[in-house]
Amino acid sequence: LAKTTQPISMDSYEGQEVNITCSHNNIATNDYITWYQQFPSQGPRFIIQGYKTKVTNEVASLFIPADRKSSTLSLPRVSLSDTAVYYCLVGARDDKIIFGKGTRLHILP
Amino acid sequence: DTAVSQTPKYLVTQMGNDKSIKCEQNLGHDTMYWYKQDSKKFLKIMFSYNNKELIINETVPNRFSPKSPDKAHLNLHINSLELGDSAVYFCASSHLRGNYGYTFGSGTRLTVV
Repeated sequence: LAKTTQPISMDSYEGQEVNITCSHNNIATNDYITWYQQFPSQGPRFIIQGYKTKVTNEVASLFIPADRKSSTLSLPRVSLSDTAVYYCLVGARDDKIIFGKGTRLHILP
Repeated sequence: DTAVSQTPKYLVTQMGNDKSIKCEQNLGHDTMYWYKQDSKKFLKIMFSYNNKELIINETVPNRFSPKSPDKAHLNLHINSLELGDSAVYFCASSHLRGNYGYTFGSGTRLTVV
């Protein structure tokens, strides 16, 4: 399983776009990149998954460069309710999920 | 509601007791998991079952015994509870080789006193 590195914490303001970058230098050919969100006292929630280029859903966008050694989760126009821990995971779809420390995102009013 | 539900939500018990946590999913997934999140907020996988068959068994003390009566249920029984077992335990489910991510339950906060 590819190891991931992401910032420990980030602060932003309501209404801003937030970009969280994750490094995964040893990503394998059949690995996907998946992001989860965890609120206090809740289980992680799947946000988005991608393999290459760009993926967008109603919650976020995921940008993956051609070499796939990093990825960026983009949250448009964040609100206070987006304060959470965001986990970047890399692995094949039938791999067990290994969580790192995640990025603690704090949205300020 | 379609979901992964686990009970109880909170569990406070004394050292040495035996307790169980139950998990049920109605998403039609064929694989279920138990994760442990400790006080430092690290999420670690403990067990995984696919169609009632154990497929992942991480380095977990023998006091922890998962049981899957059917593919929609995965229970966790813990014998001789210790202080270090205090944590939040999350159940999750997925399609083993599907295109979707895991769905987690809301967690069971176990406190051993």
